[in-house]
Amino acid sequence: AQSVTQLDSHVSVSEGTPVLLRCNYSSSYSPSLFWYVQHPNKGLQLLLKYTSAATLVKGINGFEAEFKKSETSFHLTKPSAHMSDAAEYFCVVTRNSGNTPLVFGKGTRLSVIA
Amino acid sequence: DSGVTQTPKHLITATGQRVTLRCSPRSGDLSVYWYQQSLDQGLQFLIQYYNGEERAKGNILERFSAQQFPDLHSELNLSSLELGDSALYFCASSSHPDQPQHFGDGTRLSIL
Repeated sequence: AQSVTQLDSHVSVSEGTPVLLRCNYSSSYSPSLFWYVQHPNKGLQLLLKYTSAATLVKGINGFEAEFKKSETSFHLTKPSAHMSDAAEYFCVVTRNSGNTPLVFGKGTRLSVIA
Repeated sequence: DSGVTQTPKHLITATGQRVTLRCSPRSGDLSVYWYQQSLDQGLQFLIQYYNGEERAKGNILERFSAQQFPDLHSELNLSSLELGDSALYFCASSSHPDQPQHFGDGTRLSIL
């Protein structure tokens, strides 16, 4: 079985300050992990993915995430927040191999204050 | 633009009715997935098709059905609609089940 826990339902940061969105996962298998972003009235856009290669994964728009197996975590970070980063962020887990559905966290809403 | 097209964008109907949601995957993608996003349940996987065949089933109600056609577009049929079916329905596609999924902008279904 697989599950994802996003530890914060809402995070608020000031523009230009670092962003940290926390995600813990549980998986009986070797996991693939993703972060998706959803802007209002839009679909989900893939930010980055981890699939058992390098543990530090770089994504689009300056985001990155580090896979830490010992902590079962996959936190999303960005050095400097922009107003355009305000959105809902989803951490997602699936099995690394084979055809298994994506399991979504409940989401973290990121607010960026000018 | 993800390349995944969903129609219609909005749908308003009444309880007991039946609706069809349509999805055109990205060019070349063989896998299509359907998800439901609601405030209380979050994002839930409904069903997956690969090259016309059902590959995986999630929390899909018996009142719901889907299919993928030879041209790879997919339709999600929802019948005997209830108030609780009001949600955003997303379609996603990928070139292969092991590849990342790309999402459409969704169909917002409102049941009155």
